Amino acid sequence: DAKTTQPNSMESNEEEPVHLPCNHSTISGTDYIHWYRQLPSQGPEYVIHGLTSNVNNRMASLAIAEDRKSSTLILHRATLRDAAVYYCILRPPLGNTGKLIFGQGTTLQVKP
Amino acid sequence: DVKVTQSSRYLVKRTGEKVFLECVQDMDHENMFWYRQDPGLGLRLIYFSYDVKMKEKGDIPEGYSVSREKKERFSLILESASTNQTSMYLCASSSPRGGRPQETQYFGPGTRLLVL
Repeated sequence: DAKTTQPNSMESNEEEPVHLPCNHSTISGTDYIHWYRQLPSQGPEYVIHGLTSNVNNRMASLAIAEDRKSSTLILHRATLRDAAVYYCILRPPLGNTGKLIFGQGTTLQVKP
Repeated sequence: DVKVTQSSRYLVKRTGEKVFLECVQDMDHENMFWYRQDPGLGLRLIYFSYDVKMKEKGDIPEGYSVSREKKERFSLILESASTNQTSMYLCASSSPRGGRPQETQYFGPGTRLLVL
């Protein structure tokens, strides 16, 4: 399984944008890039995913490098509620068990 | 909204007890998963199921079994609880059957189990 590398922790100020990086240099051409986050004392929740093009949804944006070896999750205006552990996960094509392989993630602290 | 519920948020059991953790999803999802989460080890897959009465071992199935008698319900069973099974247990569901690389998983709130 292709691996991802994320910083252990990051800090942000409330209402400022946050860029959470993820390196995945061994990604294959058909792996999807997913982001989940886990708020304190809760189960993980889906944030966004993409394959090659940048993606936007109501929660965040995903910027994918042209060579796909890295990606960045962008929270446009961080709120205190965005303090969580953010996981960058690669999903291989059909034929995989469907399991998610979570790394250590990035703990995001948002300061008021 | 998809809802995945777990029977307990917190559970305390004694070594050797049989423990049942229940998970129910309300979106008619085919796939269901049980993970455990431990500090420094991340989430690890215990068992999963693609259909009623189907089960597949994940990465750490030892000491656990599962049951899926109905599509919406997936139970994790600790036949004889041990202290090293103290952990956060997370249930998840997804669709379609077998998964696709772009499909998302929906997680329950977790059960924090303490085995004394």
